[in-house]
Amino acid sequence: GAVVSQHPSRVICKSGTSVKIECRSLDFQATTMFWYRQFPKQSLMLMATSNEGSKATYEQGVEKDKFLINHASLTLSTLTVTSAHPEDSSFYICSARTGGAGETQYFGPGTRLLVL
Amino acid sequence: GQNIDQPTEMTATEGAIVQINCTYQTSGFNGLFWYQQHAGEAPTFLSYNVLDGLEEKGRFSSFLSRSKGYSYLLLKELQMKDSASYLCAVMDSNYQLIWGAGTKLIIKP
Repeated sequence: GAVVSQHPSRVICKSGTSVKIECRSLDFQATTMFWYRQFPKQSLMLMATSNEGSKATYEQGVEKDKFLINHASLTLSTLTVTSAHPEDSSFYICSARTGGAGETQYFGPGTRLLVL
Repeated sequence: GQNIDQPTEMTATEGAIVQINCTYQTSGFNGLFWYQQHAGEAPTFLSYNVLDGLEEKGRFSSFLSRSKGYSYLLLKELQMKDSASYLCAVMDSNYQLIWGAGTKLIIKP
């Protein structure tokens, strides 16, 4: 199956710093990548949809200036949490779609962010 | 509004069979997905149904009835490693995935 990697797997940072998370599709080209956030014991919450070469589409309530998304190539998307605060501590998961809109999303292993 | 319903938690015995139900009300339908998520890990893809009927894949099967807005995931010969949350997700008319809250499955020896 399609493989998606994420880096780092875990990060601890001080409040006010910025954190960058990378999402890569290893064996396929992903025209669309998705960024999710998951709080403990809750379901996935879509933050934004990222299409290669264009601006990301953010879900309602997600601050685009705080969560910067760059999808510069068909195999790489990055999420930067700017000026992180403790309430941003969460499990961030990316997924990538192998083909068109109806295709399956494959998930990266996730990045656990802890902001002190 | 759009809504996906699945039980919060289920318990089953090792070696047995368990059926996890999912009902949905969405604006349009472009397929239903089942994902498995172990605690602290990202979801992994299990199955995809877009037509009515049963899709079998090893110990796992998934069923869909579009007219009833209903699906189930059937797990046979349960193993301890099957203890996880099972997420039902429906792709709506805009090709957005609408997620259920997940069903936590506890397997007892």
